[in-house]
Amino acid sequence: EADIYQTPRYLVIGTGKKITLECSQTMGHDKMYWYQQDPGMELHLIHYSYGVNSTEKGDLSSESTVSRIRTEHFPLTLESARPSHTSQYLCASAGGGIEKLFFGSGTQLSVL
Amino acid sequence: KNQVEQSPQSLIILEGKNCTLQCNYTVSPFSNLRWYKQDTGRGPVSLTIMTFSENTKSNGRYTATLDADTKQSSLHITASQLSDSASYICVVIDRGSTLGRLYFGRGTQLTVWP
Repeated sequence: EADIYQTPRYLVIGTGKKITLECSQTMGHDKMYWYQQDPGMELHLIHYSYGVNSTEKGDLSSESTVSRIRTEHFPLTLESARPSHTSQYLCASAGGGIEKLFFGSGTQLSVL
Repeated sequence: KNQVEQSPQSLIILEGKNCTLQCNYTVSPFSNLRWYKQDTGRGPVSLTIMTFSENTKSNGRYTATLDADTKQSSLHITASQLSDSASYICVVIDRGSTLGRLYFGRGTQLTVWP
């Protein structure tokens, strides 16, 4: 069982609200990632970090932002949620090479 | 264009039966290939990882094969159980940069009926 945690598991909010999705890992991994996944579709990388104070945008354009102030914590923030942001968001971390990738349980976000 | 194609898109089998899932990729240069199992509403969990030089790797009832020449991989599930119902995702990693980019397939949705 991987020691990477996401909260909340489910979130239903109204349009225009600011939200933060939490992701924490206790494995001491430097590399952390945020993926977005729609039903029946592949995972798309939206943000990644290779260490504290290092963040980069991924392949999929996203209006979200991330921060990496501590090694174990990689939160994702949406300043103003819209229905188009409805999706599953998966956090992952990797250590000792990107092959050892561990995923959290995900946050299912619904914006009304 | 997705560089990892999985087939079939979905599959229904009876408990106790075997099945094989396919993954074709065009990712180059190739580093390694991984199969993940994703239960509904959960994050993916790793099943196997295969490097260029490996042809077969087993993990319990799961056996993965890799043909790096034809760029094909398969995941064989033996004596299926109800708990095998999940999406199985093929992930290919390139070695073209220090970032080790990941390419995800869309998954095969497997349903095991009693």
